[in-house]
Amino acid sequence: DAGVTQSPTHLIKTRGQQVTLRCSPKSGHDTVSWYQQALGQGPQFIFQYYEEEERQRGNFPDRFSGHQFPNYSSELNVNALLLGDSALYLCASSFWRGTEAFFGQGTRLTVV
Amino acid sequence: GQNIDQPTEMTATEGAIVQINCTYQTSGFNGLFWYQQHAGEAPTFLSYNVLDGLEEKGRFSSFLSRSKGYSYLLLKELQMKDSASYLCAVRVGNAGNMLTFGGGTRLMVKP
Repeated sequence: DAGVTQSPTHLIKTRGQQVTLRCSPKSGHDTVSWYQQALGQGPQFIFQYYEEEERQRGNFPDRFSGHQFPNYSSELNVNALLLGDSALYLCASSFWRGTEAFFGQGTRLTVV
Repeated sequence: GQNIDQPTEMTATEGAIVQINCTYQTSGFNGLFWYQQHAGEAPTFLSYNVLDGLEEKGRFSSFLSRSKGYSYLLLKELQMKDSASYLCAVRVGNAGNMLTFGGGTRLMVKP
């Protein structure tokens, strides 16, 4: 049983570009959350998807958008990249009314 | 808003016991999680407390006091492999698993 998988593992982009990160949840999970983790800090909640809709959103600008597909997988899109967007992006999957969230290994995004 | 505080760094000796504290101020509290995160890796689940008291799981125990907005993670018989960051996270609401994390405590275990 595969856990949460994210792709790509690492990514280097230039300021102003756009990026798409992908996440496949743990088998059976229906909810996907995205977090941004800057170096040396705790993860910060970006948003969460359930039934293909954004359900909750953290304090992130509209440059951050997402999508959930019928198979529960999800994408995170970031437009007009800034240097400050450099971070580890974590995807977590869970059941909508479950208590435990499982994290993927993350995508390390570097903006130059 | 949410506010979660934990020490930035701690150092302990192999074989010893260490307690990592976490205080929180939040509305809609619905549980507190502890995660372990090794450098460059994903956070892995350690414990979950929703009621007051102590939860024990092998070498790891976690305590919660909802009235005090306080939790701690207790690690016994420390091993070198326990060197990692420990993240305290609060769940709000009763659906969706939105977690608010503290900044993490970097634990260094020395021989």
